[in-house]
Amino acid sequence: NAGVTQTPKFQVLKTGQSMTLQCAQDMNHNSMYWYRQDPGMGLRLIYYSASEGTTDKGEVPNGYNVSRLNKREFSLRLESAAPSQTSVYFCASSHTGGHSYGYTFGSGTRLTVV
Amino acid sequence: SQELEQSPQSLIVQEGKNLTINCTSSKTLYGLYWYKQKYGEGLIFLMMLQKGGEEKSHEKITAKLDEKKQQSSLHITASQPSHAGIYLCGAALNTGNQFYFGTGTSLTVIP
Repeated sequence: NAGVTQTPKFQVLKTGQSMTLQCAQDMNHNSMYWYRQDPGMGLRLIYYSASEGTTDKGEVPNGYNVSRLNKREFSLRLESAAPSQTSVYFCASSHTGGHSYGYTFGSGTRLTVV
Repeated sequence: SQELEQSPQSLIVQEGKNLTINCTSSKTLYGLYWYKQKYGEGLIFLMMLQKGGEEKSHEKITAKLDEKKQQSSLHITASQPSHAGIYLCGAALNTGNQFYFGTGTSLTVIP
């Protein structure tokens, strides 16, 4: 099925460990996004990539890095995980000017940092 | 502070009852989206509103965008257990690329 695929679905890390969350979309969307979802705070934008080859900081970029590997793939890296990064992470994609077309979301990665 | 405020934060209703969820912004909304999320799943797009006064329906769910384009309501008629989940509004608040999400409303429908 066409859509946004995220891996892994669940992950437990120790403080200081690193990991990369993978995201791929097969809808030929130009723009891709990484959000984190925390209770009472809704979805907050970490980084986004408006088009292949570009990335920009969102609302809460500290502690994260991203790579837009090609048009399909947008990865999120935690270099040194902290307990404050325990969250559910969502990748999304859209055509350029996403607010005109809506976003398609992945099913999420539930990350726990102990 | 949140750019988009949703109310209520949570809602528990008896099956068959009607309910309304609100999404309010202090700025003009350029496209208002409603999403539904079930536990452990991503967000599912429900509908999009762009014009002031616009109203759309999908099955038993109706969404409206007020004329001033600063508030939207989502109304569910004769709720069913399948309606349970978290409802999120999302919107662009200017003509740029920034998109914001509301804080979410958790809906429980008791059979």
